Amino acid sequence: DAKTTQPNSMESNEEEPVHLPCNHSTISGTDYIHWYRQLPSQGPEYVIHGLTSNVNNRMASLAIAEDRKSSTLILHRATLRDAAVYYCILRSIYGQNFVFGPGTRLSVLP
Amino acid sequence: GAGVSQSPRYKVAKRGQDVALRCDPISGHVSLFWYQQALGQGPEFLTYFQNEAQLDKSGLPSDRFFAERPEGSVSTLKIQRTQQEDSAVYLCASSRLTAGVNTGELFFGEGSRLTVL
Repeated sequence: DAKTTQPNSMESNEEEPVHLPCNHSTISGTDYIHWYRQLPSQGPEYVIHGLTSNVNNRMASLAIAEDRKSSTLILHRATLRDAAVYYCILRSIYGQNFVFGPGTRLSVLP
Repeated sequence: GAGVSQSPRYKVAKRGQDVALRCDPISGHVSLFWYQQALGQGPEFLTYFQNEAQLDKSGLPSDRFFAERPEGSVSTLKIQRTQQEDSAVYLCASSRLTAGVNTGELFFGEGSRLTVL
């Protein structure tokens, strides 16, 4: 599986936008970009995923670079509940496994 | 609720004891995954089932770890002769779609926290 690189931690103020970066320079054409997040003492939960085009859902937006070697998860207005570890994962359509890295720990300050 | 259910939520075992962790996936979900998460780390893949078939067990750390899903629904992860390094949260996830067909969303349970003394 291709590898992703994320900052270890980030901070944001409540009600401000948050941009969480992810580098994946070895991504292949069949790799989808997934984002999951893990709140304290819970299992990870799905946030969003995409292949080439930018994606929006009720939780977040995913901006994918034109060369697909990086992507950014955008939380439009951070809330205290968004404090979590965010994982950027590449998963091939031919693969089975989701390979989690250490993720980015997001702190949201009131 | 209709989510993934895991039991027990917490288990304390003495070193050398056998433990069994149960996962009830979402009804109708074909794919089932087990992950191990050590403190402060991301989840690490253990094994994958498609219905009752265990298609990938490459992540199981030793032959003390065994998983089964005999009827293609409930799954059990068994750890024999537990060691202190087995202390972790064990996460189960299920997905509606079979892997390789699409990028089906994974639904995780809250995990079973195992502490080996």
